[in-house]
Amino acid sequence: QVQLQESGPGLVKSSGTLSLTCAVSGDSVSSSYWWTWVRQPPGKGLEWIGEIYHTGSSNYSPSLKSRATISVDKSKNQFSLHLRSVTAADTAVYYCARDSEPHFYGMGVWGQGTTVTVSS
Amino acid sequence: EIVLTQSPATLSLSPGERATLSCRASQSVSSSHLVWYQQKPGQAPRLLIYAAASRTAGIPDRFSGSGSGTDFTLTISRLEPEDFAVYYCQQCGSSPLTFGGGTKVEIK
Repeated sequence: QVQLQESGPGLVKSSGTLSLTCAVSGDSVSSSYWWTWVRQPPGKGLEWIGEIYHTGSSNYSPSLKSRATISVDKSKNQFSLHLRSVTAADTAVYYCARDSEPHFYGMGVWGQGTTVTVSS
Repeated sequence: EIVLTQSPATLSLSPGERATLSCRASQSVSSSHLVWYQQKPGQAPRLLIYAAASRTAGIPDRFSGSGSGTDFTLTISRLEPEDFAVYYCQQCGSSPLTFGGGTKVEIK
């Protein structure tokens, strides 16, 4: 059974960098799936942040592309999100997820989510 | 970027009633690329429907999806108490992948 677990600081200072990791168990980040980050501000809808394939190929939301970096660590079987220059608008629950196969069949496996608050 | 507009924002219904949720795209989306999720409070989203009309494993057959082009629908034939939640559509065929704003199905 595939499981994803997000981890990282729950509190980040404004203008700082938000760094989260998603540990993968029951599968390999080198398998034929895209690995994704999604966030959800309090009381609001879902926002797709971006995705990465084990080859290093990645795609990002245009609104976050200048500040976000998603990377894969095959040795630790995990992938990460770094979001620079954060503001209060980046306060959200952050989810990692695994795409289905084929890629366009949606995200079938999700982590439980981790809450990140940006403080001034 | 493909914009998905879901309507209504809130649907107030009673258990046993039929729910019809709409997802409209700003440009044509392949049926193969349209999915639906269910999200309950405090939980991660759960994939319900892929390829517009195919249920994922374990999803009851009271959930059905349909549509093509720019108009897609999620139908819950008879609402069970556990179906009251927020539902999101997403297009997965064109980067950036985008979500609709969600429809909350609440108990009337």
